[in-house]
Amino acid sequence: GAVVSQHPSWVICKSGTSVKIECRSLDFQATTMFWYRQFPKQSLMLMATSNEGSKATYEQGVEKDKFLINHASLTLSTLTVTSAHPEDSSFYICSAPGQGAWNTEAFFGQGTRLTVV
Amino acid sequence: AQTVTQSQPEMSVQEAETVTLSCTYDTSESDYYLFWYKQPPSRQMILVIRQEAYKQQNATENRFSVNFQKAAKSFSLKISDSQLGDAAMYFCAYRVGRDTPLVFGKGTRLSVIA
Repeated sequence: GAVVSQHPSWVICKSGTSVKIECRSLDFQATTMFWYRQFPKQSLMLMATSNEGSKATYEQGVEKDKFLINHASLTLSTLTVTSAHPEDSSFYICSAPGQGAWNTEAFFGQGTRLTVV
Repeated sequence: AQTVTQSQPEMSVQEAETVTLSCTYDTSESDYYLFWYKQPPSRQMILVIRQEAYKQQNATENRFSVNFQKAAKSFSLKISDSQLGDAAMYFCAYRVGRDTPLVFGKGTRLSVIA
């Protein structure tokens, strides 16, 4: 399979500050990265799709100025939560489509638990 | 829009017994992929099993098997010989193409009773 490494695994930040979450594809090139958000005891909800070298596309209701997504290389996509507030506290997880023999699968990062205090 | 429905928020099973988790989906596509993912307390998403819609044969992976009914748009997961380590949240998911995101059901929390 393929590995997607997500960091940090957890972060606590103060209200009003920004937090950056990184997702790296370690042994394959991820031209696309999907970013999901998961509230406690709920399912994964797609926030946005990032494509290397182009602007991200956001799902309805997701503030693109608050959740900045950058996909500057084929192995790195980042999500920055700007001016974080307690309601942004959640579990964020990235996922990239596999390639070659794994092209029907999705590979997930380990997730990031964000707590805004 | 595609939707995935898991009608069982919680299920429990005795260790070594068999349990079936239900999933239905709605799509107008003829070619797609279906998945079951396991999410343990660590919250790492773990692929349990996948099914290509064009394949009539039900997928199996050791103790895990599916009952894929394309006409009924049903995709249930059967876990045989349940083990304590099977306790987790299980999500049914659907996707159309390779570069499209997964659409998840709301999940079923499975408890395994020793």
